[in-house]
Parts: sequence; structure tokens; C-alpha cells
Amino acid sequence: GIQVEQSPPDLILQEGANSTLRCNFSDSVNNLQWFHQNPWGQLINLFYIPSGTKQNGRLSATTVATERYSLLYISSSQTTDSGVYFCAVPHPTQGGSEKLVFGKGTKLTVNP
Amino acid sequence: DTAVSQTPKYLVTQMGNDKSIKCEQNLGHDTMYWYKQDSKKFLKIMFSYNNKELIINETVPNRFSPKSPDKAHLNLHINSLELGDSAVYFCASSHSRNTIYFGEGSWLTVV
Repeated sequence: GIQVEQSPPDLILQEGANSTLRCNFSDSVNNLQWFHQNPWGQLINLFYIPSGTKQNGRLSATTVATERYSLLYISSSQTTDSGVYFCAVPHPTQGGSEKLVFGKGTKLTVNP
Repeated sequence: DTAVSQTPKYLVTQMGNDKSIKCEQNLGHDTMYWYKQDSKKFLKIMFSYNNKELIINETVPNRFSPKSPDKAHLNLHINSLELGDSAVYFCASSHSRNTIYFGEGSWLTVV
């Protein structure tokens, strides 16, 4: 099956710093999603980004499908950005549908 | 209004018991899912339903049985609970293969 690898596994920042999270995937995909799981466990979708670049406030994401990676940029980080960031890609199933395969996540801690 | 809601949020139960987790979405989506997140935060799909039809059934013990009475609901029933079933169970929904929206999770602890 498809492999999804995220790096770094852990990241500690001071408030105000910028960061880049990476997601590599082993097979061609037709879309990619980024999620943030906050310290209370809520999973929130950030981006649906099959290719190109999207921005939403201090966050932006870029997917280069031909090179099988995606990057999530967080600028001017805040303590509320803490949590685990997951990327997920679709993978076909035997029944002809698709399932999302998640990476293991990057745990981000932003200190005040 | 909560888009994907699941109940209960917390569940502590003894080994051998049977329990259910309910999920409802008000987004008008046609596809619903159950995901399991283990203690290492790894998220893995368990089941998926499209228009009430089971389309994904991963390698899950048959003690787990999903039921979708209609497009807006997907419940998860677990028989003969085991210690290893302790995890966070997330319900989710999407419109076909588009952006997926998760519920707040149900923390299951089996003692």
C-alpha cells in the first residue's frame, strides 16, 4: 500500500517563529489533505490541496504531486498552533473506492 | 450547529461488555466513516459507507459492526469489548471523495 511519511516527528518552537512541515508519499495521488489535531483531540481540516499552493491566514500549503510531497508552512506561530499535524492521501481499495491513509503526524509545541 | 456529532464523548466500560457509539452528520454528505486512533496517535480507517452501503471494511474484528440507518447516521456497535479496543474512535463524513470532516471523537476505555 501507499506509504505516507511526515517530518519532523516533533517540533518545538518559540511563539513568533516560522516552521515547515513535510509530507512525502510513495505513490501518485489525486489529492492530499492536511489536518490539525488540537490538544483537546479535535481533528480539523486545514487544506484540501491536490497540487499547487493555498493560503489561509498564517498557514499555507504546497503540494508538488509530480515529486510526491507536500509542505505545510506556519508563519508567526502562536501557542494555539500546538497539536499534531497530519497529512492524508487517498488510496484505492479492492472494492473500487478510496480510503484516506494518514501519516504518523508532526507534533508541534509552541512555547510562549 | 455541530456538523459531525458523535456520542458519547467518553466511555469507560468493563471487558466483555457491548457498547455503541452513535454518529450523525448534518452536512448532507453521502459518505461516512469510522476511524480509530490508537495510543500513538495513529489514525486508521475502519469502515466507510456511501449512501448507506458499506464500501470499505478494513481488517477489523467482527466484534465491530457498523450500521447506517440512513445517509446522515452511522453507528458503531462493539461486542465483547477487549482491553485492546481502548482508543479514540472518530466518525467522519465527506461528499464523495472530497474534504473529510471529523467528529469530536469518542474516548473509549476498557478496564
